[in-house]
Amino acid sequence: GAGVSQSPSNKVTEKGKDVELRCDPISGHTALYWYRQSLGQGLEFLIYFQGNSAPDKSGLPSDRFSAERTGGSVSTLTIQRTQQEDSAVYLCASSSYSGDYTGELFFGEGSRLTVL
Amino acid sequence: AQSVTQLGSHVSVSEGALVLLRCNYSSSVPPYLFWYVQYPNQGLQLLLKYTSAATLVKGINGFEAEFKKSETSFHLTKPSAHMSDAAEYFCAVSEGGGSQGNLIFGKGTKLSVKP
Repeated sequence: GAGVSQSPSNKVTEKGKDVELRCDPISGHTALYWYRQSLGQGLEFLIYFQGNSAPDKSGLPSDRFSAERTGGSVSTLTIQRTQQEDSAVYLCASSSYSGDYTGELFFGEGSRLTVL
Repeated sequence: AQSVTQLGSHVSVSEGALVLLRCNYSSSVPPYLFWYVQYPNQGLQLLLKYTSAATLVKGINGFEAEFKKSETSFHLTKPSAHMSDAAEYFCAVSEGGGSQGNLIFGKGTKLSVKP
């Protein structure tokens, strides 16, 4: 597709369960980002992948959160032993690093996670 | 460390009135600055960006923003609000100078437009 695709769009789970959220970036984009959007908190950076470099995991809130990016394309964000405070919209974005970098990110529509 | 402060979590204007959404940033290096808009149940869409060229930047839907280094500000304006402008607006900063990394976002300002 032409844009960033995320799935599922909505996920309801029970406390303590594991969840996986998927992001398919724009074809050819080398950089991929995960953000979390909670009510009234704006966007919180989670993790950033750029090409084959080691990911920047500095925003992950706890060791229950992890992400991987296979083949430099699709990424999966995994939350283990979910807690109610994990309820949020998880946004994925991608960007193309060219010689004339401008920093624009292209966002998917997000995955809304509700932990009961 | 970079940061962004958006003054006012909610702004309400009448249709046809001036829109002014405030953003102040902190950065130790020349910044790149962005405004994104998020319509209900949608992802974020770029409105405009400043990348060290002209200080007055024009974006989509009649919005513009002016980079003022002395005031560390990048306020978003639109001369005449339209009902379709009702959305949440996010200001963001990135490290400039050609390096790549994540954007740091403000907490957002929800714009309401009254008929």
